[in-house]
Amino acid sequence: KAGVTQTPRYLIKTRGQQVTLSCSPISGHRSVSWYQQTPGQGLQFLFEYFSETQRNKGNFPGRFSGRQFSNSRSEMNVSTLELGDSALYLCASSFSPTDIANQPQHFGDGTRLSIL
Amino acid sequence: AQKITQTQPGMFVQEKEAVTLDCTYDTSDQSYGLFWYKQPSSGEMIFLIYQGSYDEQNATEGRYSLNFQKARKSANLVISASQLGDSAMYFCAMREGGNYGQNFVFGPGTRLSVLP
Repeated sequence: KAGVTQTPRYLIKTRGQQVTLSCSPISGHRSVSWYQQTPGQGLQFLFEYFSETQRNKGNFPGRFSGRQFSNSRSEMNVSTLELGDSALYLCASSFSPTDIANQPQHFGDGTRLSIL
Repeated sequence: AQKITQTQPGMFVQEKEAVTLDCTYDTSDQSYGLFWYKQPSSGEMIFLIYQGSYDEQNATEGRYSLNFQKARKSANLVISASQLGDSAMYFCAMREGGNYGQNFVFGPGTRLSVLP
């Protein structure tokens, strides 16, 4: 079956703009998480959604937001972009957060965002 | 406090030899899961292997095995018969069980280079 699909793969924006990234989970997966990956900070958790509700949130400013639709697809939005937002943004899906300790997350290929 | 520690920023191994990537973790939960992911230079995160905190046997998946020592809180990844395609970043991750919505925590990663 199809894996996690993230669009777009690459994006170039300028400071002050906003951006929306999209993630389609594996069919049947209802939990979607977002991560930011940079060389300096590594993989940092942004937020997790399940059943259209944000279930957990990382330590990021309010400029970072997300949502999940009824078909489990998720979007992430970053407003007022800063140079430091340049990163690889990864989306991951899992079946559900219940019995979560043994549920691996399956990742998409990521969206590489560059801020000029 | 750092929940996942990977003390080897970089490792080299000769092709066809075995290699162990270290991971130690910190949790007070009784129920948790430990995961290893591989990230090639192309960026996608590939799930390799999972170990549950209650599993008595070490997990194995093909050439990957997890050396789980619960009392030491370590979950080292062993790759047998290394191949050139194993060159990548390797991340150890943990998800605590119990309360709904515990997010994944990733270690800083180890860059493995397989030499011909």
